[in-house]
Amino acid sequence: GENVEQHPSTLSVQEGDSAVIKCTYSDSASNYFPWYKQELGKRPQLIIDIRSNVGEKKDQRIAVTLNKTAKHFSLHITETQPEDSAVYFCAAIAPGNMLTFGGGTRLMVKP
Amino acid sequence: DAGITQSPRYKITETGRQVTLMCHQTWSHSYMFWYRQDLGHGLRLIYYSAAADITDKGEVPDGYVVSRSKTENFPLTLESATRSQTSVYFCASTNPLSGGAGGELFFGEGSRLTVL
Repeated sequence: GENVEQHPSTLSVQEGDSAVIKCTYSDSASNYFPWYKQELGKRPQLIIDIRSNVGEKKDQRIAVTLNKTAKHFSLHITETQPEDSAVYFCAAIAPGNMLTFGGGTRLMVKP
Repeated sequence: DAGITQSPRYKITETGRQVTLMCHQTWSHSYMFWYRQDLGHGLRLIYYSAAADITDKGEVPDGYVVSRSKTENFPLTLESATRSQTSVYFCASTNPLSGGAGGELFFGEGSRLTVL
């Protein structure tokens, strides 16, 4: 089955700096890669996703890149703000299978 | 939002007792899921259901039972709770994209279960 690895497990940045979280996946048939944000004590919520026919997608301060050859994808957050502090989960899914999540990254943005 | 709700939100029980966590969604989503979240393990799939009366095992199904007699409800039962089942449980639902189950997951608020 699919295996998704996520790094780093914790990330601390200064407000205004950029943050990058990286994920690798094992199933070359995977074609959908969402990112979820979970604030402390809250439910995970989708923040951005990318499909395998696209190499990059941007939404304001967040962007996701996908390298199908290397089987890795990354989340980029620019101009970080304290409200970006949360746990971020990457995930991958191949047709006919269920979503597999990475282990999560705790992002701390220091004011 | 009230589209997917879980109950109870907090539960303390003892080893060996039966516990049922309830999940209800109002969107008529075909797929429903149960995940457990533990520190260092992220979100792990316990069971899922593609439609009423169709359920299947996920990554960590041992010790759990599910049913789905109605599209909107997907209860999770721990038949004999163990300490290792202390966790936060999330229910989720989605409608699948064409070709698979890769739609946006909508999560409930979570149920924090402590087994003493």
